[in-house]
Parts: sequence; C-alpha cells; structure tokens
Amino acid sequence: DQQVKQNSPSLSVQEGRISILNCDYTNSMFDYFLWYKKYPAEGPTFLISISSIKDKNEDGRFTVFLNKSAKHLSLHIVPSQPGDSAVYFCAASSPQAGNMLTFGGGTRLMVKP
Amino acid sequence: EAGVAQSPRYKIIEKRQSVAFWCNPISGHATLYWYQQILGQGPKLLIQFQNNGVVDDSQLPKDRFSAERLKGVDSTLKIQPAKLEDSAVYLCASRLGQMNTEAFFGQGTRLTVV
Repeated sequence: DQQVKQNSPSLSVQEGRISILNCDYTNSMFDYFLWYKKYPAEGPTFLISISSIKDKNEDGRFTVFLNKSAKHLSLHIVPSQPGDSAVYFCAASSPQAGNMLTFGGGTRLMVKP
Repeated sequence: EAGVAQSPRYKIIEKRQSVAFWCNPISGHATLYWYQQILGQGPKLLIQFQNNGVVDDSQLPKDRFSAERLKGVDSTLKIQPAKLEDSAVYLCASRLGQMNTEAFFGQGTRLTVV
C-alpha cells in the first residue's frame, strides 16, 4: 500500500523555465509534508516543508502548494537552473504513525542549459 | 554543525554473510531512522528510534535484520544472513523532535550482496 505517490518518474525542463513536481497521498491523517532533493551518491537533503494548516509555503525559488481536498502537493521551482537536476522525493508524516516519514518513489528532474 | 555520519560508505559481501552499519546522528537529535533505498525507489523505513526506544519497527525483517541505539546516541543496523535482495543504500536520518521538523540524512551505505 503506497501511501505517497509520485507518478512522474522523470521530468525535463529548459533552464529558466518553471519545474513542477507533483505528489499524491492517500492517508488523510498526514499533517506535515516535505520535499527532499538527492544527488547521486549523496543522502537526501531537505528542501522545503509545509504543514497541513497552510496551503502554500515559499522559500526563494522553491514553492510548495498543498491541496488537502485533492490530497495533492506540488513543488514549483522558478526559475529552474541546471544545478537543480537531481531526484526529488516528497515525504509525509502523521502523529498517528509516530511521525515517521513516508516517502514517494521520486521524480528525476533534468534541467537543460 | 556536524551532519549525520555513516560508515562504511560502501560494502560488498557474499550472500549469507553478515554485515553491520553504523550511524552517528546530529548531536541532540532524539529521533533516529534507518531507511532502505532500493535503486529507482524511494526510501523505505526500517526502524525508528526515539532516544534509545523503538517507536516503529513494523517493516524491519526481524528474521535477519536487527538494530540498536545504545545510550540514545549512535546506532547500528545489522543484517545476518544477507540475501541478494538486500542490495540497497541504507540511509540513517535524525530529527530534533518527532513533530513538524525536517529529518537530516547521512550519505548512506551502499550494500552490494553477490
């Protein structure tokens, strides 16, 4: 039972354009969501998060949107840069599950110069 | 601030052998996780500690995997005996608290079972 899904395994975007990465979840008890970025041979690094009491959180070029009714969140990167090329994972947690982080399968973003 | 330290970075063993991984979390972080990441998939939780107590180990294959967190700081994850399907990256992460904070990951240990 995959509670967090990233349905696009890969995404290719031109430098300077917007990258939109999507994530869907099934567990309505999730109340905290995170995005991580992962480069090859490195561990995931935290990017941005959002609590379920909000519908948007912004940090520089990165914005996360949360649509609770649709159980959907998205990460927008504007403008995209070649250094953003990495695998992006969304994760979610709920107090009922001990606040463990449940991850999606990841989306590989390629930003072309 | 020092990050999460893991060792070794790489390990190759034959099936049925045993292996151990070590993790030193960020100082003061009460929550520690071990994740298994198979190539092309997202990290899957194996076990979660809060200080030196286990919060969740429901996805840990207890017939071959074991983990401990002595004194609520360092942690070791052991596999005995290893199977081919255990080939993966084993990630350790720590978190200051449990709620609404980010977890910090180590670089991981890439295990290859041949």
